[in-house]
Amino acid sequence: DTGVSQDPRHKITKRGQNVTFRCDPISEHNRLYWYRQTLGQGPEFLTYFQNEAQLEKSRLLSDRFSAERPKGSFSTLEIQRTEQGDSAMYLCASSFPISSQGRYEQYFGPGTRLTVT
Amino acid sequence: AQSVTQLDSHVSVSEGTPVLLRCNYSSSYSPSLFWYVQHPNKGLQLLLKYTSAATLVKGINGFEAEFKKSETSFHLTKPSAHMSDAAEYFCVVSDQDYGGSQGNLIFGKGTKLSVKP
Repeated sequence: DTGVSQDPRHKITKRGQNVTFRCDPISEHNRLYWYRQTLGQGPEFLTYFQNEAQLEKSRLLSDRFSAERPKGSFSTLEIQRTEQGDSAMYLCASSFPISSQGRYEQYFGPGTRLTVT
Repeated sequence: AQSVTQLDSHVSVSEGTPVLLRCNYSSSYSPSLFWYVQHPNKGLQLLLKYTSAATLVKGINGFEAEFKKSETSFHLTKPSAHMSDAAEYFCVVSDQDYGGSQGNLIFGKGTKLSVKP
């Protein structure tokens, strides 16, 4: 399967613990995005990378959240001192860079469902 | 700022009848618009995209959408619903300006489509 993969698919943790999620994008894609989806809502943008550079962070990404893409391939999203409000589906997507025509599409992974108890 | 409004949170149709999922957008420039579908426990899948070419866009599984600038709408339709179409559908606008470098997606709240036998 050459699609976007995420690991783990499910994570249950206790409040205050740290968690880390991994995303492996489609290999030819140099853009990688993280989104968060809470129950009954559409996904919300968190951050994105072009190669290893983190180019944009949403105000949703508090200082407890950190994302990395050290070699421009896979990415990790870490949440420190988890809170119950962090419970959500964390989605990763990848794409080619925006073309000269300014159009592209993002391919999504299956997501990591985080439950903070 | 760009935004999308999905006018119905839940739509219920009978199998074999037409589907209409409504979406209005707000954008300060020519937008990139998408429809994504999310089946339970599966990742988001792109149904179709509008990229300023033809205003009537055909997607996968018999879905299509028409871009109407005068109405700022991008409604999703299908002539005949199948049971397998039951899912959550998201209207999406790309947050980028012409030739811009960002490109994260802005999702609507979603429309849950139910298909009755």
